[in-house]
Amino acid sequence: DADVTQTPRNRITKTGKRIMLECSQTKGHDRMYWYRQDPGLGLRLIYYSFDVKDINKGEISDGYSVSRQAQAKFSLSLESAIPNQTALYFCATSAGSYEQYFGPGTRLTVT
Amino acid sequence: AQSVTQLGSHVSVSEGALVLLRCNYSSSVPPYLFWYVQYPNQGLQLLLKYTTGATLVKGINGFEAEFKKSETSFHLTKPSAHMSDAAEYFCAVVDQAGTALIFGKGTTLSVSS
Repeated sequence: DADVTQTPRNRITKTGKRIMLECSQTKGHDRMYWYRQDPGLGLRLIYYSFDVKDINKGEISDGYSVSRQAQAKFSLSLESAIPNQTALYFCATSAGSYEQYFGPGTRLTVT
Repeated sequence: AQSVTQLGSHVSVSEGALVLLRCNYSSSVPPYLFWYVQYPNQGLQLLLKYTTGATLVKGINGFEAEFKKSETSFHLTKPSAHMSDAAEYFCAVVDQAGTALIFGKGTTLSVSS
C-alpha cells in the first residue's frame, strides 16, 4: 500500500461549490504539506502543518483552508471553488529532515 | 529569500546521450538541495539530495548532481539516457526558515530512439 494516499484522484466540480481533498499517510511523519502544481509554474505551497495543533499558511493560501484531523490526516478545502483553482494538488509528508514524500496527486477541474 | 531557477523548460536527448538538467539556486544560508522526478500521472519521487558533505551526490536510476557553491548550481546529469527517463524533473531548495521546499518550474526531459 502507498505511504501517502490522496482522495479523490480526479474531481470535476462547478464554480461556487465547496470541495474537500483528503490526504492520509502511514509514514508516521509529523509534518504535512499541500501544494498545487500548474503547468510551467512548478509546485507552490498552499499550507503546511508540523503537528495536529499547528497550521501555517504557505505562498498561495488565499481561497483555501485546511484541517489536521490527526497526525496521519490533512485535508484541504476550497470553500467556494473558482476556475483558476483548476490544478493538480499534491500532499506531502516529512519527518523533519527536509526530504518530502509525495502522494499521487488529485486532479481538480473547476468549470 | 531562497529561489530556484531551472534553465530550459524542455530538454530533448537521444537514447544513450548525456543528460544535463540545469539548476541554479539563491540562498542566504547553506542550502539543502533536492532533485525530484515526476513520471506521467504520478507524484514526485526523490532522485537525490545534497545536505552537507560530499559535493557530488549520487541518486537513483544512475543520476547524479554536483553542488557548486561558487556557481550556486546543482546540475543533474546522467551519462546515458534511457527511454524510461522521460519525465518532468524538479529542483528544490529548503526555504530560509527550514519549513518547506521551494521548487523550480520544472524541466521536461524527452528521450528519442
